[in-house]
Amino acid sequence: QKEVEQNSGPLSVPEGAIASLNCTYSDRGSQSFFWYRQYSGKSPELIMSIYSNGDKEDGRFTAQLNKASQYVSLLIRDSQPSDSATYLCAVNISPRGGKLIFGQGTELSVKP
Amino acid sequence: GAVVSQHPSWVICKSGTSVKIECRSLDFQATTMFWYRQFPKQSLMLMATSNEGSKATYEQGVEKDKFLINHASLTLSTLTVTSAHPEDSSFYICSARPGRDYGYTFGSGTRLTVV
Repeated sequence: QKEVEQNSGPLSVPEGAIASLNCTYSDRGSQSFFWYRQYSGKSPELIMSIYSNGDKEDGRFTAQLNKASQYVSLLIRDSQPSDSATYLCAVNISPRGGKLIFGQGTELSVKP
Repeated sequence: GAVVSQHPSWVICKSGTSVKIECRSLDFQATTMFWYRQFPKQSLMLMATSNEGSKATYEQGVEKDKFLINHASLTLSTLTVTSAHPEDSSFYICSARPGRDYGYTFGSGTRLTVV
């Protein structure tokens, strides 16, 4: 079982719709969870971080965490073509040392 | 915000030569930095954890004698790919964070092509 799993996609949504991205992780001791966006040929940029159960909203983005189910998700409201990218879920699998492990990424395409 | 600078952005080298990549934290001190490698259409794979003043910790399957890491100061970590071969061609990215309550910031990456 992979430590962090995502659906690879591609996920295609029309402009203005809600895009839903999902991620599961295997280490129950994980404490920190991150969503990154990566455009082709570029390095990842941080979108959201979440540390406790529940929802965290930042503009059009909402991260949801359920530690009991070992599940974290990202919702993008009012999707724009500029949101088209690969979204990477990352989990800090150890409290000390801070190793960040990535899922395989979900490719999102927002159609005008 | 936290800024991590990485150089060079791209490099082309001949097979058998060595290449050094630098990663600097510009506005914070980083006792720990992380080095990742990304092949086309794949996710980031953690190669090693760079520790200031001590030896790096390598992930399983990563050759420590081939990928030399030096973290000589609180703001600089270097990755040297020794005796590079075409299969080492990849996108190398470093990462660090200002503290445990912060997200991880990534450098802009180095695209290495070995010919």
